[in-house]
Amino acid sequence: GAVVSQHPSRVICKSGTSVKIECRSLDFQATTMFWYRQFPKQSLMLMATSNEGSKATYEQGVEKDKFLINHASLTLSTLTVTSAHPEDSSFYICSARAVGVRTEAFFGQGTRLTVV
Amino acid sequence: GESVGLHLPTLSVQEGDNSIINCAYSNSASDYFIWYKQESGKGPQFIIDIRSNMDKRQGQRVTVLLNKTVKHLSLQIAATQPGDSAVYFCAENIGNTGFQKLVFGTGTRLLVSP
Repeated sequence: GAVVSQHPSRVICKSGTSVKIECRSLDFQATTMFWYRQFPKQSLMLMATSNEGSKATYEQGVEKDKFLINHASLTLSTLTVTSAHPEDSSFYICSARAVGVRTEAFFGQGTRLTVV
Repeated sequence: GESVGLHLPTLSVQEGDNSIINCAYSNSASDYFIWYKQESGKGPQFIIDIRSNMDKRQGQRVTVLLNKTVKHLSLQIAATQPGDSAVYFCAENIGNTGFQKLVFGTGTRLLVSP
């Protein structure tokens, strides 16, 4: 399958700082990227959907100003957690979907964020 | 965010048994479904998908069944192996051309004993 690279895999940051997570599709062009958050032993909760060149569409309850998503190119999307707090600690996973309707989405390896 | 399915169950099987993992989805307009496998600390891996114009699709050792009448999906794994131990999620594609999103179910933990 296609490869999606997510970086960093782990990050520890201090409260009040911002953290950027990158998601790259390595061998295909991703018109759509999804960002998920996952708590231990729970499912993936969709945070936002971004289409290249457009503003991200956020799910209800997800703060746009806190979780900044940029999808500036067909191979790169970034999620910035601004002014992080301990409750933002979680596993964040990106997914990329190639051009086309109803195609599979490929996932990155996830980023474990710990805010201290 | 939206979610598909019920609370997370655990399915325990013996090696060599067949496993059936179930998923209920809520959006009757969903037209594409995917099963993913997630191992601890990793991102989900694609297993198999199915479009809404089908009711069955087979892969290598896996079969997905779709019942649109009751909005139910199942994943059948034949001759389950210890390496199949993981959490399995169904995901549904919501939306049409232009904007689509992929929503995950609550998942099922599969434990395979040797």
